[in-house]
Amino acid sequence: DAKTTQPTSMDCAEGRAANLPCNHSTISGNEYVYWYRQIHSQGPQYIIHGLKNNETNEMASLIITEDRKSSTLILPHATLRDTAVYYCIVRPAYSGAGSYQLTFGKGTKLSVIP
Amino acid sequence: DSGVTQTPKHLITATGQRVTLRCSPRSGDLSVYWYQQSLDQGLQFLIQYYNGEERAKGNILERFSAQQFPDLHSELNLSSLELGDSALYFCASSAQDRAYEQYFGPGTRLTVT
Repeated sequence: DAKTTQPTSMDCAEGRAANLPCNHSTISGNEYVYWYRQIHSQGPQYIIHGLKNNETNEMASLIITEDRKSSTLILPHATLRDTAVYYCIVRPAYSGAGSYQLTFGKGTKLSVIP
Repeated sequence: DSGVTQTPKHLITATGQRVTLRCSPRSGDLSVYWYQQSLDQGLQFLIQYYNGEERAKGNILERFSAQQFPDLHSELNLSSLELGDSALYFCASSAQDRAYEQYFGPGTRLTVT
């Protein structure tokens, strides 16, 4: 599995865009980038995933560089409720029967400041 | 609300005891996953079930066991509890073809005294 590197912590002003980077320089061609977040002591929450095209949903946007070695999760208008630990996880494509465990690193602790 | 339920929310027990944690997946999800989150180890995968069958094991101790029942709910059994087993235990579920889009329950906080 490709290793990911994320900053330990980041601050963002409320109402501004939060841009969370993730480096995955050893990602292989069939591996997707997934983002999850965990608000203090709650269960992790799936946010978004992508392969090589940029993706957007109601929660966030995911920008993946052309060489796929890094990505950025964008929360367009951060609120205090977005304060959480954000995890970038690289996983291979679904392939039927098999193991689909998620491996969580230390993630980025995002603090949204009023 | 993820649609995944876990009971109990909190559990306090003594060393050497045995406890059972219960999880009900989202409606229609066949896969269930158990994760442990402790302060020093972070979130760690324990075990995965798919439609009643064990699919994968992670760092699960021999004192721990799990099963998934015909109605798809799952139970995690922890025995001979030690102080170090104190942690948050999360259950997650996913649809068959969206296996990495896992929906987590609120967790069970286990405290072993």
